[in-house]
Amino acid sequence: NAGVTQTPKFRVLKTGQSMTLLCAQDMNHEYMYWYRQDPGMGLRLIHYSVGEGTTAKGEVPDGYNVSRLKKQNFLLGLESAAPSQTSVYFCATRRDSGTEAFFGQGTRLTVV
Amino acid sequence: GQQVMQIPQYQHVQEGEDFTTYCNSSTTLSNIQWYKQRPGGHPVFLIQLVKSGEVKKQKRLTFQFGEAKKNSSLHITATQTTDVGTYFCAGTNSGTYKYIFGTGTRLKVLA
Repeated sequence: NAGVTQTPKFRVLKTGQSMTLLCAQDMNHEYMYWYRQDPGMGLRLIHYSVGEGTTAKGEVPDGYNVSRLKKQNFLLGLESAAPSQTSVYFCATRRDSGTEAFFGQGTRLTVV
Repeated sequence: GQQVMQIPQYQHVQEGEDFTTYCNSSTTLSNIQWYKQRPGGHPVFLIQLVKSGEVKKQKRLTFQFGEAKKNSSLHITATQTTDVGTYFCAGTNSGTYKYIFGTGTRLKVLA
């Protein structure tokens, strides 16, 4: 029972490259979220999903796309990486809207 | 859009001193949650408050939800070195599914 697993854990990208971050959960939770964490900025919501096949924009969605084709997976894509996207990315899941969030271990992304 | 601010941003205390962090939302919240993130780690859930004026305790930690459901506080009595980390509040509005996190308060405890 792994909980919430993020891959990769670390990545260095060149400006303009693309990549996909994977969040996988084995808790059968409906709600999934992608956050980015920058010093002094807390956790900012990028996109979220309230169920398989649904996605919605958060606070800072520009430059990112997401997909939730399967209930257990939530993918975050960067089509053309920029240095401003250097951050630590966290995935989180919830059973429903009024319950606690479970976070993955994070992905440290550096764009050079 | 909804904004959640926390103060202070940083706090250094001597071990044994008390610590308080405050969370303020620009909109009324349906509930608020608190999380702790250890250095290098991921946020871990501490507690959820739902009712106006609610107070909950976990050992040395006391959590309060304001009467207007727009602010909250976390108070730690007699801090220990194990309390080191960043404390976040996260709130949501009724009818939405997204939780907005506060900016966090980073606590350092000096032994």
